[in-house]
Amino acid sequence: EAGVAQSPRYKIIEKRQSVAFWCNPISGHATLYWYQQILGQGPKLLIQFQNNGVVDDSQLPKDRFSAERLKGVDSTLKIQPAKLEDSAVYLCASSRGGFAVGGETQYFGPGTRLLVL
Amino acid sequence: GENVEQHPSTLSVQEGDSAVIKCTYSDSASNYFPWYKQELGKRPQLIIDIRSNVGEKKDQRIAVTLNKTAKHFSLHITETQPEDSAVYFCAATGTASKLTFGTGTRLQVTL
Repeated sequence: EAGVAQSPRYKIIEKRQSVAFWCNPISGHATLYWYQQILGQGPKLLIQFQNNGVVDDSQLPKDRFSAERLKGVDSTLKIQPAKLEDSAVYLCASSRGGFAVGGETQYFGPGTRLLVL
Repeated sequence: GENVEQHPSTLSVQEGDSAVIKCTYSDSASNYFPWYKQELGKRPQLIIDIRSNVGEKKDQRIAVTLNKTAKHFSLHITETQPEDSAVYFCAATGTASKLTFGTGTRLQVTL
């Protein structure tokens, strides 16, 4: 089966600009996650969707970050305006889902490497 | 929320030796503990996982042990090979049902 797809793979922007990332999960996976991975650290969950509903967005900086998954498949993550500290790899992951509990294997996409100058 | 600590941050072993990475977690309700391997510039890939109703799981050269009482779990790699060199992350799912990752261990297997 095809894996999780993300685009773009790389993005360089200046601070205060906006940027958007796209994710297409594994077909049939109901749960989709966005993670931020700063260099040298483990991934940190930003937001979790179950179909098109938000399960957890407690660590999403809502003053500048937004995400949507309108049809329960693809998702976009937006940053507006970007700050220097947003430089990181943004990873999308998906799991089979069906219920909003833990314990599922998550499959990661290749990530989008963002550099904010 | 869940807090996962991982040690050591770097580990260097000779080819053929064993490597052990340890993690502790804070939420006693955590029930799922995956381990991911991440090579430089690539995506994290699941290498093994364990659930709270199991104490040990093995897959060829890789094994994971879980001690629920002490709230710690460990990754064991035997007969290490150069291709095992990567960053390894442990993770745990707590009561909030979200995956919390450790800070990573950079494993270097030398010839």
